[in-house]
Amino acid sequence: QKEVEQNSGPLSVPEGAIASLNCTYSDRGSQSFFWYRQYSGKSPELIMFIYSNGDKEDGRFTAQLNKASQYVSLLIRDSQPSDSATYLCAVIGGGYQKVTFGIGTKLQVIP
Amino acid sequence: GAGVSQSPRYKVTKRGQDVALRCDPISGHVSLYWYRQALGQGPEFLTYFNYEAQQDKSGLPNDRFSAERPEGSISTLTIQRTQQEDSAVYLCASSLWGNTEAFFGQGTRLTVV
Repeated sequence: QKEVEQNSGPLSVPEGAIASLNCTYSDRGSQSFFWYRQYSGKSPELIMFIYSNGDKEDGRFTAQLNKASQYVSLLIRDSQPSDSATYLCAVIGGGYQKVTFGIGTKLQVIP
Repeated sequence: GAGVSQSPRYKVTKRGQDVALRCDPISGHVSLYWYRQALGQGPEFLTYFNYEAQQDKSGLPNDRFSAERPEGSISTLTIQRTQQEDSAVYLCASSLWGNTEAFFGQGTRLTVV
């Protein structure tokens, strides 16, 4: 079982719709969770982080964490073509500091 | 500096040569990470430092790879006797401390021919 699992996609949504990106992790003791956006040929860019169960909103982005289910998600409201990118889920496991990334989900927003 | 700076941005080297990749983290950031990313994959952990101390090098693929951060700031990742399978983008990231969010540099694209 991979430590951080994501569907590689592509996930296609029409412009203006809500894009829902999902991630599961294996280490039940994980404490810190991050979403990065990566455009083709560019380095990852941090867009959200969440440490506590529940929702965290920042503009059009909402991160959701459910530690009991070992599940973290990212919702993008009013999706724009400029949101088209690969979204990487990253997790810091319990008891150590290594940040482990998933494979990333490719999002395509169709105009 | 304002962001994480990596050099060189691109490096083409012949198989068997040694290469050194440099990372200058955000000023004041204690933790520094090295990752490798192959096309279509997520970043793969290599190693990380807190200050000058290498805390975890479990991701280094073999003993041709080494990293140092002698003064707790700039770090160098060295690959000896490069092989074609070493071709990838090497990413450096830094964070204020421990479990806080990490910020990436632009990466070094290494091509071994």
